[in-house]
Amino acid sequence: GDSVTQMEGPVTLSEEAFLTINCTYTATGYPSLFWYVQYPGEGLQLLLKATKADDKGSNKGFEATYRKETTSFHLEKGSVQVSDSAVYFCALRKTDSWGKLQFGAGTQVVVTP
Amino acid sequence: EAGVTQSPTHLIKTRGQQATLRCSPISGHTSVYWYQQALGLGLQFLLWYDEGEERNRGNFPPRFSGRQFPNYSSELNVNALELEDSALYLCASSFPNQPQHFGDGTRLSIL
Repeated sequence: GDSVTQMEGPVTLSEEAFLTINCTYTATGYPSLFWYVQYPGEGLQLLLKATKADDKGSNKGFEATYRKETTSFHLEKGSVQVSDSAVYFCALRKTDSWGKLQFGAGTQVVVTP
Repeated sequence: EAGVTQSPTHLIKTRGQQATLRCSPISGHTSVYWYQQALGLGLQFLLWYDEGEERNRGNFPPRFSGRQFPNYSSELNVNALELEDSALYLCASSFPNQPQHFGDGTRLSIL
């Protein structure tokens, strides 16, 4: 079946460090891929998306490229801030079931001053 | 633009009771989705409504049910509550085949 695998957290970084969160997926066809972020006590916010191979999603300094050959969608940010501390979820959506998001387990990121 | 709103914020019930959770989508969105975020189980897809019809449901027992009203708002009902139903229930909405936007959730606690 379809699945999303994320690196386990917590990931602890110092401010201004480089962040990478690995995400790989298993799915037939060509799913759309998403990164969502969840701040403490809140729901999920869409961070970025990509709908086809080689697409690059970007937002708020975060980037992720849809790599079909490695079935990956790794999230990167060049210089993190304390305010980036949150849980990050990678998710996929199949074309034939567009209403259902399948999420990874989430990766907690802690940025210290 | 108002986001997805969910009510109540917190709900405390005892085993065997019934819970009703409500969701108002972003204006213009016709699709509503429900997810369960339970400790240790991650985010699990529950239900998807589009134009008043149930389009898909996740791997949950029939005591989880819901509906979508003509104004596209939605209710999630959970009957015969069990301890393991304690979770954050997230509602999302979207235009068809567009990214989902989430509310802040209802925290359901079963005593």
